Amino acid sequence: TQLLEQSPQFLSIQEGENLTVYCNSSSVFSSLQWYRQEPGEGPVLLVTVVTGGEVKKLKRLTFQFGDARKDSSLHITAAQPGDTGLYLCAGVYQAGTALIFGKGTTLSVSS
Amino acid sequence: GAGVSQSPSNKVTEKGKDVELRCDPISGHTALYWYRQRLGQGLEFLIYFQGNSAPDKSGLPSDRFSAERTGESVSTLTIQRTQQEDSAVYLCASSRDRVSGNTIYFGEGSWLTVV
Repeated sequence: TQLLEQSPQFLSIQEGENLTVYCNSSSVFSSLQWYRQEPGEGPVLLVTVVTGGEVKKLKRLTFQFGDARKDSSLHITAAQPGDTGLYLCAGVYQAGTALIFGKGTTLSVSS
Repeated sequence: GAGVSQSPSNKVTEKGKDVELRCDPISGHTALYWYRQRLGQGLEFLIYFQGNSAPDKSGLPSDRFSAERTGESVSTLTIQRTQQEDSAVYLCASSRDRVSGNTIYFGEGSWLTVV
C-alpha cells in the first residue's frame, strides 16, 4: 500500500511564527504537489515539484522535495491569519497514474 | 464555465436510496478524478479516468460505488443503497493530461448527507 504521511495533523500558532509541515512516503514520487483548502471549497494547487532536491518559493512559502523524491516539506515564514487552512500534499508514483493525497495538516494562525 | 462544475452542490438522501453526482470537467481536459473527503479529513481517491484508457477504479470502497465518463466530458458518480458512512464531500477534479507537470483543478464538491 502506498501511503502519504503528513505531520503534524494539527498546528495552532500565533501570527508571526514560522512553521514546517512534512510529507513522507516509503515510495518514490514521480511528482509531488502541495494544495491549500479552505472550508467549503475545493483544494487549490500551490506548487508542483518534480526534481529531487528541488526548492521552490512562493512568497513566504518554501517547498522542498527530498533528494530521493520520497519526502517533501512546506515551510511558512512569519505566518499570517490568512494562511489558515488545510494543507494537503499529493503525489504521483508513476506518470499517468492517479494523484494520491495525504490526510492533510490543519493550520490555524491567530492574531 | 471556465472551471470544474459539480452538481448538486448539496444532497440530503435517506439511507438505502441511490444518488447520482455529476461532474463537468474543464473543456479539453482528458484526465478526471473523483475523491471523497470526510469532515476535517484529507482526500480519499475513488476513481481516475484518463482519455480512452481503462479507468483506475482501485479506490472505490465497495461495489455500491460506480462511475462513468462520456468520452472526455461529463462524469457521473453513482452510489447505490446509500449508508450513513457515505456522508462526505465528493470532489471532482480535472487536468489537461497526466498530472505530472499539469495543474489539477477541483470543483467545489457535492456535499452528501445520508440520514
